[in-house]
Amino acid sequence: DAGVTQSPTHLIKTRGQQVTLRCSPKSGHDTVSWYQQALGQGPQFIFQYYEEEERQRGNFPDRFSGHQFPNYSSELNVNALLLGDSALYLCASSSLADLGDEQFFGPGTRLTVL
Amino acid sequence: SQKIEQNSEALNIQEGKTATLTCNYTNYSPAYLQWYRQDPGRGPVFLLLIRENEKEKRKERLKVTFDTTLKQSLFHITASQPADSATYLCAPLSGGYNKLIFGAGTRLAVHP
Repeated sequence: DAGVTQSPTHLIKTRGQQVTLRCSPKSGHDTVSWYQQALGQGPQFIFQYYEEEERQRGNFPDRFSGHQFPNYSSELNVNALLLGDSALYLCASSSLADLGDEQFFGPGTRLTVL
Repeated sequence: SQKIEQNSEALNIQEGKTATLTCNYTNYSPAYLQWYRQDPGRGPVFLLLIRENEKEKRKERLKVTFDTTLKQSLFHITASQPADSATYLCAPLSGGYNKLIFGAGTRLAVHP
């Protein structure tokens, strides 16, 4: 079992551009959550996908959008990038059936906006 | 709004001692509370979960307490080792979906 995988590992973009980050959940998991972690801070919840729909959303603008595919993998899209979007983006997977149990995090995608 | 506070300063201890990390939360009543470990440049790794009806949970050298009256959780690492050096994140979770709200984390440094 490969666990949670994310791609790419690193990404450099310029302000105003758009970016797509990808995540494959751990085998057997149907729920994917995305987090943004700025340097020196804890991860902040962006949104969560289950059954291909956004189920919950944190305090992030509409520039942040996502998608979940039938195989449970997920994408995070960020439009009109700002310098402040530079961060580590983490994907976490879990199973709805195991409410409250651990979430498995991927290694993250380091996004730098210049 | 929901707020989680962890020791903002790094915790430096000597190898073999017990490390105690604090997590305080306000403005909500989590049904569960999780602790994660994060190494630099990596994703958090789950350590322990404690439920609101549990006072204490242990796993090997780790112990977590959960005081719903004080709105506080304490995380202990006994017989600490340099390999325990990392950032430890507290994440209270409200009932419903698996949405984690993380504190900023406490950086622990264990010195030989």
